[in-house]
Amino acid sequence: LAKTTQPISMDSYEGQEVNITCSHNNIATNDYITWYQQFPSQGPRFIIQGYKTKVTNEVASLFIPADRKSSTLSLPRVSLSDTAVYYCLVGDRRDSSYKLIFGSGTRLLVRP
Amino acid sequence: NAGVTQTPKFRILKIGQSMTLQCTQDMNHNYMYWYRQDPGMGLKLIYYSVGAGITDKGEVPNGYNVSRSTTEDFPLRLELAAPSQTSVYFCASSYRDRGGEAFFGQGTRLTVV
Repeated sequence: LAKTTQPISMDSYEGQEVNITCSHNNIATNDYITWYQQFPSQGPRFIIQGYKTKVTNEVASLFIPADRKSSTLSLPRVSLSDTAVYYCLVGDRRDSSYKLIFGSGTRLLVRP
Repeated sequence: NAGVTQTPKFRILKIGQSMTLQCTQDMNHNYMYWYRQDPGMGLKLIYYSVGAGITDKGEVPNGYNVSRSTTEDFPLRLELAAPSQTSVYFCASSYRDRGGEAFFGQGTRLTVV
């Protein structure tokens, strides 16, 4: 089971781009990288998922280098409402031993 | 489309009481999960299920039991409630594909006094 490491917290200001990096040195060949966002008193919400290179959706971009040992979640022009905890998960759910394990996440604070 | 529905939303239990937290999903997902989240902490996996009739322990299973008799339902049973079980409980479900997006319920806030 690939372990992930993320910064505990980050600060930013409205309108800035925020990049949160996740380290997953033991990622397996079939593993996907998935990011979730959690607001206080709510369950986590899926943001983006990728396998390699770059993935972009209406909310964020995910950059994955060729060796896949890390990934970077990029949030363009953050607003106060992006203040949340962001979790990086790695795994292949087709593997019956895979458990959807959340780490401690990165607590992002966006200031005015 | 309701997604993942948890009941109740709030509950206060006395030490030693028992209760069942209900979780239902209407997306025909194979996988279902139960988590607990203590204040200011990350989510801890209690139990999970890869399909009806199949369950397995997560990171913190002690004090809890689960069953999965149908695809839709995955109840979590607390026997002999203890103050240490005061937490917010989240249920989630997902398809069994590679990275599959997981959908979470709104949570049950449980206080044991």
